[in-house]
Amino acid sequence: QVHLVQSGAEVKRAGASVRVSCKASGFSSGNYVIAWVRQAPGQGPAWMGWISTYTGKRNFAPQFQDRVSLTIDSSTATSYMDLRSLRYDDTAVYYCASLLEGWLESWGQGTLVTVFS
Amino acid sequence: QSALAQPASVSGSPGQSLSISCTGISSDIGGYSYVSWYQQHPGKAPKLLIYDVDNRPSGVSDRFSAAKSGNTASLTISGLQNEDEADYFCSSFTSSQTVLFGGGTKVTVL
Repeated sequence: QVHLVQSGAEVKRAGASVRVSCKASGFSSGNYVIAWVRQAPGQGPAWMGWISTYTGKRNFAPQFQDRVSLTIDSSTATSYMDLRSLRYDDTAVYYCASLLEGWLESWGQGTLVTVFS
Repeated sequence: QSALAQPASVSGSPGQSLSISCTGISSDIGGYSYVSWYQQHPGKAPKLLIYDVDNRPSGVSDRFSAAKSGNTASLTISGLQNEDEADYFCSSFTSSQTVLFGGGTKVTVL
């Protein structure tokens, strides 16, 4: 059973950066793909990107490509999502999830990022 | 990429069946079998309900079923129960190797 535990809520000033972590357990091997999704208040999820431990390959949604970095520390099975140049409309709950073929099998509990100006 | 199109809300009485549609295009729903559905209760993370068009993960009630025809997918909830009141999102893998979500449908049990 895959289990993903994310870091706690963050409050950031506009223009700053934020890092959200996602610690994984329960994968049968060290090869997996972690996706990141965010959900603004009252809206549906929005895809941000994914990173693979198989190949190190990353894929980003166009609207985040210039501001998001995804990394994995394989020694601790922890994934990181860094979002730069925060704007007010980046206020959202950020989720990590395990990407299996084309669906998100297990989800973290979510991390609320609040941006103030 | 535009979000997949879902109705904003649907409602039904306990015991009834209801369906939620999810419409995309040929480069997402129409081109792949990687269509999935998620259930989200208020304040909770989404939960995988259906994957690969019509497959249920272990532990998901067989009251939930799904299908796809062309560029449209659908989720059906049979024998509606109070606990089914939640938001439901569809999703599809795309030709860009990204995942596209629907805007979500709020299910209300009357």
